Formats: sequence, structure tokens, C-alpha cells
Amino acid sequence: GAVVSQHPSWVICKSGTSVKIECRSLDFQATTMFWYRQFPKQSLMLMATSNEGSKATYEQGVEKDKFLINHASLTLSTLTVTSAHPEDSSFYICSARGRQGLKSSYEQYFGPGTRLTVT
Amino acid sequence: AQSVTQLGSHVSVSEGALVLLRCNYSSSVPPYLFWYVQYPNQGLQLLLKYTTGATLVKGINGFEAEFKKSETSFHLTKPSAHMSDAAEYFCAVSLLGSSASKIIFGSGTRLSIRP
Repeated sequence: GAVVSQHPSWVICKSGTSVKIECRSLDFQATTMFWYRQFPKQSLMLMATSNEGSKATYEQGVEKDKFLINHASLTLSTLTVTSAHPEDSSFYICSARGRQGLKSSYEQYFGPGTRLTVT
Repeated sequence: AQSVTQLGSHVSVSEGALVLLRCNYSSSVPPYLFWYVQYPNQGLQLLLKYTTGATLVKGINGFEAEFKKSETSFHLTKPSAHMSDAAEYFCAVSLLGSSASKIIFGSGTRLSIRP
């Protein structure tokens, strides 16, 4: 199956700083990427959807100026949490969908997640 | 729009007992349905999925689920629970096959196994 990686797997940052999380599709071209957030003991909430080369579409209630998403290539999407605060501490999971060679797939493959702690 | 409801935020069963985790969905068109498992501090692992065809779907680790359109349900079962099954389980729905589709998750059910 297709593999999605995230980096870093965990990060601690100080309040007010920005942190960038990378999501990569390792063996397929990710035409669409999704970013989810999971608070402790809660479900995954979709934050935004991005198509390669286009601006991300944010879900209601998600601040697009705070959570910057860039999907500049078919294998890489980044989520930047700007001016992070302790309430942004969460588990961030990316997911990708795309194609391998000429074969398109609508299946979503999930990364292992990045745990962000803001102190 | 699609949505998923998981009945019971916490289920506890004895080792060796039947596991039943409930999931009901809402969708205006035939949905694609998934069950994922998440172990503490880890990402998601796909247990099984229903797209089309046979309504009884077998997954990994002895789990299976049955798509019942008349009941709008996709309950997850396992005949005999193991201690290693203790985890968080998420039911999810998508209109897979649509370029605009995205996976929406239920609230999750925490499964505990009693020795």
C-alpha cells in the first residue's frame, strides 16, 4: 500500500513561536492532502483539504491565518502553526490521496501523526 | 453530507468474549465505510473497509463488519477478544470515488479488555 510519512513525530515549542509539520507521500503522487487534528481522548477533526498547486480549503471554525497549509508539490504538504499557544497542543495527522503512475486512487492513506506540545 | 455516530464511548469486555462496537451512518448516497484502530500515542491503522459488493467485510486481527443498508449500520465485531485489542476504534465514512470526498470520523469507542 501507499506510504505517508510525517516529520517530526513530536515537537515541543514555546508559546508565540511557529512550528512547521511536513507530510510526504513516499511512493505515490498526492494530488490531495488532508490535515486532521486530534485532541486527547477525542476523535479526528478535519482541518483542511489541499490540492496540489491550489489554496487549501479550510473547515468551518479553523483559522486559515493560524494554520498555514502549503501543498507545493505532489509529494509534500506542510502545516505551519503560527504564533502557537498551549491550546494548539494536539496530535496532527495528515492524509493523502493520489495516483501511482497512471493509476488514480481515491483512497486516503494516513501518516503516523505529529504530537505538538506548546509550553 | 455524511456523518457517523458511534454508540458508546467506552466498551469493556472480558478476554475471550464477543466484541461488538456500534456504528451508524448518515449519507445521501451509498457511502464507503471504514473502521480504524488507534493504539495509544500512535497513528491510525485501517482494520477494514466496505466499498461495494459483499456486505460482510473481513479485516485484520480477526475483526469483521457488516454493512446493513436498511439499518444504516456498520457494526464491528470480533468473536473472541484478546488483551491486545484494547485500543481506540473509529468508524468513518466517505463518498469514495468522488473527487470532492473526504473521510469523516465518528467520535470513537475505547475498547477495554478485562482479564
